[in-house]
Amino acid sequence: KNEVEQSPQNLTAQEGEFITINCSYSVGISALHWLQQHPGGGIVSLFMLSSGKKKHGRLIATINIQEKHSSLHITASHPRDSAVYICAARRSYNTDKLIFGTGTRLQVFP
Amino acid sequence: DAMVIQNPRYQVTQFGKPVTLSCSQTLNHNVMYWYQQKSSQAPKLLFHYYDKDFNNEADTPDNFQSRRPNTSFCFLDIRSPGLGDAAMYLCATQWSRGGQQFFGPGTRLTVL
Repeated sequence: KNEVEQSPQNLTAQEGEFITINCSYSVGISALHWLQQHPGGGIVSLFMLSSGKKKHGRLIATINIQEKHSSLHITASHPRDSAVYICAARRSYNTDKLIFGTGTRLQVFP
Repeated sequence: DAMVIQNPRYQVTQFGKPVTLSCSQTLNHNVMYWYQQKSSQAPKLLFHYYDKDFNNEADTPDNFQSRRPNTSFCFLDIRSPGLGDAAMYLCATQWSRGGQQFFGPGTRLTVL
């Protein structure tokens, strides 16, 4: 079993829909990252959070440390949001390395 | 703008012909990473530098070497590329332990 699991693996949505991507982890962490990767492209770091909630534009990330669970929400989704979204955990005792989830492929149709 | 730059963006090499990928950063971050990412897979850490301290992952092939001549630059050398080394290579930087990682745009390597 992977130490960082994401769901769903694939997600399709109509433009304007509210989207939620989930991430669960089984290790102690010091922080959790949400990353975005467009097809054939590099990775953009969206959020790093260790508690509570962060918001940037239409993106919201939340984390529940007790439940070892994080969510990424996209409000008013747009076709340009189509990408792979990756959550990555930083272990409590090794702060140099990330453990990556398997990614969620999102397609938003007009 | 401060950023992580990778050159070239696309690299084609022949089987067995050495290749060097470069990464530079203007963020003055002391930690730099090299990842290999194959299609539809998560990035796989090859090695990282904490300042000048080199940290090699146990399963990184000997074929892969790295140099960091100064804070700003880091190089990935593939001594004898095989077909299985075709992938996207991502460089990332981070300020100290536990900071946010910033990724470059990647270099896509094709091995003929």
